[in-house]
Amino acid sequence: AQSVTQLDSHVSVSEGTPVLLRCNYSSSYSPSLFWYVQHPNKGLQLLLKYTSAATLVKGINGFEAEFKKSETSFHLTKPSAHMSDAAEYFCVVSPNTGTASKLTFGTGTRLQVTL
Amino acid sequence: GAGVSQSPSNKVTEKGKDVELRCDPISGHTALYWYRQSLGQGLEFLIYFQGNSAPDKSGLPSDRFSAERTGGSVSTLTIQRTQQEDSAVYLCASSLPAGGLAFHNEQFFGPGTRLTVL
Repeated sequence: AQSVTQLDSHVSVSEGTPVLLRCNYSSSYSPSLFWYVQHPNKGLQLLLKYTSAATLVKGINGFEAEFKKSETSFHLTKPSAHMSDAAEYFCVVSPNTGTASKLTFGTGTRLQVTL
Repeated sequence: GAGVSQSPSNKVTEKGKDVELRCDPISGHTALYWYRQSLGQGLEFLIYFQGNSAPDKSGLPSDRFSAERTGGSVSTLTIQRTQQEDSAVYLCASSLPAGGLAFHNEQFFGPGTRLTVL
């Protein structure tokens, strides 16, 4: 069984300030973890993923996430928010079984970026 | 190259009618997934197909929901006797098989079909 918990349904930051979106996971297996982003009226886009290689993962648009097994966390960060970062962000877990498998999504965090 | 495409982009139907939603995966992707995104429920897995293996139907919410994948490519999600609670955005995704050149298990999503049941 696997699940993810996104601790904040809504986060608001000022442009130029750091972003932190929190995610905790639960998995019976060594998991693959992902962050997807969904801009209004657009499809889901992969930001970054962790698959048991380096624990600090860098993604697109300056985002990164750190896998911490001891804390079962995979928080998403960015040093400086941009207006274009405003979107819905989903933390996602999948068993790292080497075969295609379904994704389990968190409930999402809506990021608002203000001037 | 072309991404995952879905049709129609919007569908409005009356309660009790049947609807068919179509997904065209990325060429060469052997795995295909359907998800549903609804208000208050987040994104939930419905069904996935992997090559010629039997599909994983564990996420289908009721027997009114079914899906087919013909020729290992295009998939159709059918909802019979639609109910108002079926209103949601239905998302399709596809991925390469394990060992492919892409990131492990990265799924590429289509734009979705917004279904409204009146």
